Amino acid sequence: KQEVTQIPAALSVPEGENLVLNCSFTDSAIYNLQWFRQDPGKGLTSLLLIQSSQREQTSGRLNASLDKSSGRSTLYIAASQPGDSATYLCAAFRVNAGGTSYGKLTFGQGTILTVHP
Amino acid sequence: SAVISQKPSRDICQRGTSLTIQCQVDSQVTMMFWYRQQPGQSLTLIATANQGSEATYESGFVIDKFPISRPNLTFSTLTVSNMSPEDSSIYLCSVGDRLYGYTFGSGTRLTVV
Repeated sequence: KQEVTQIPAALSVPEGENLVLNCSFTDSAIYNLQWFRQDPGKGLTSLLLIQSSQREQTSGRLNASLDKSSGRSTLYIAASQPGDSATYLCAAFRVNAGGTSYGKLTFGQGTILTVHP
Repeated sequence: SAVISQKPSRDICQRGTSLTIQCQVDSQVTMMFWYRQQPGQSLTLIATANQGSEATYESGFVIDKFPISRPNLTFSTLTVSNMSPEDSSIYLCSVGDRLYGYTFGSGTRLTVV
């Protein structure tokens, strides 16, 4: 059974800092890893998807890496801004060889990020 | 990636009543997923809805409490029945895509009083 853990549970940083959020998982076999952002009371916004065969993905100030051997993924946020304040969730899911069938998402508990001016 | 329109965005309901949540996707998808997020918690999968067949429910969730409809490949509803304050949560629908992973609706924030 896949288990996903996120560290730290909460993080408060001053604006402009570079920061790293951590996600670990117990079963790395053919799992994809997706990072989401959630604002209070809202739905989830996808940030980055790392497929099982990939090692990292980048989008703007965000970079996510995947190390299957150690069962870890990190989300790096460069030059943090107050608008980055949100809960960040990582989730793992299996995909079949043809990419047509998706397993259910297993979520971590999230990291609550606060970036203060 | 797919765009999901979820309604209502929030509601306050009396205990004992029912609420139906709708999700409309801008493309045809085989599976749609319904999640619950209780206050301060992460997301828990309620059920997987396939078009033309009964939804598959996760352990701890039953059809009588959370009936799901999936009349076509772009639409699904989740009903929260006979509500109690413990049902106060955010409910979200989701679809998966080979290129973009999972996409979520904007969520329905339910408060039962």
